[in-house]
Amino acid sequence: EPEVTQTPSHQVTQMGQEVILRCVPISNHLYFYWYRQILGQKVEFLVSFYNNEISEKSEIFDDQFSVERPDGSNFTLKIRSTKLEDSAMYFCASNSPLDRAFFGQGTRLTVV
Amino acid sequence: GDSVTQMEGPVTLSEEAFLTINCTYTATGYPSLFWYVQYPGEGLQLLLKATKADDKGSNKGFEATYRKETTSFHLEKGSVQVSDSAVYFCALKSRRALTFGSGTRLQVQP
Repeated sequence: EPEVTQTPSHQVTQMGQEVILRCVPISNHLYFYWYRQILGQKVEFLVSFYNNEISEKSEIFDDQFSVERPDGSNFTLKIRSTKLEDSAMYFCASNSPLDRAFFGQGTRLTVV
Repeated sequence: GDSVTQMEGPVTLSEEAFLTINCTYTATGYPSLFWYVQYPGEGLQLLLKATKADDKGSNKGFEATYRKETTSFHLEKGSVQVSDSAVYFCALKSRRALTFGSGTRLQVQP
């Protein structure tokens, strides 16, 4: 089965630092997403991306967050100045128009 | 807004026991409903889905029926195995991206 790949699997960063979480979606997919799950809480939608622009974003996705598709394969989530409350598992997902979403294995971000 | 409520875990069962994980939802319109599973150390995998009322999704012995009248999508399995130990997420999709429940951890003991 095709896979969405995320790197790194675990990232530890100091408060105030910038982090970039990386994802390689499935190659023929057109829609890309970031979700996050704070420990013990729900999986929450952050942002969706289509045709090289953000198509939708949640209230969580404020000015500290940005997404990019810098080349034909990577899809990145940048947090500009991390806060303690950004500590969470971040999931990338992708899908083609008529198919289900495929999720990556997640990146655990720990802000200290 | 859209929301999904699932029973809190952990749910601990013996092998071959019957499993029910309750899920109810609130949504505008007619959402599609999903169950995702997360095995230890892995990402979210789609387990089953249903796209309209009275549809039954099924996979790997798991079933869930889309009940519009009770806004529910309960997950069931007649005989669980140790390998079913995982976290199960109920989710819906209406207009936007997926809205997830909080997840229910299932532990199956031999």
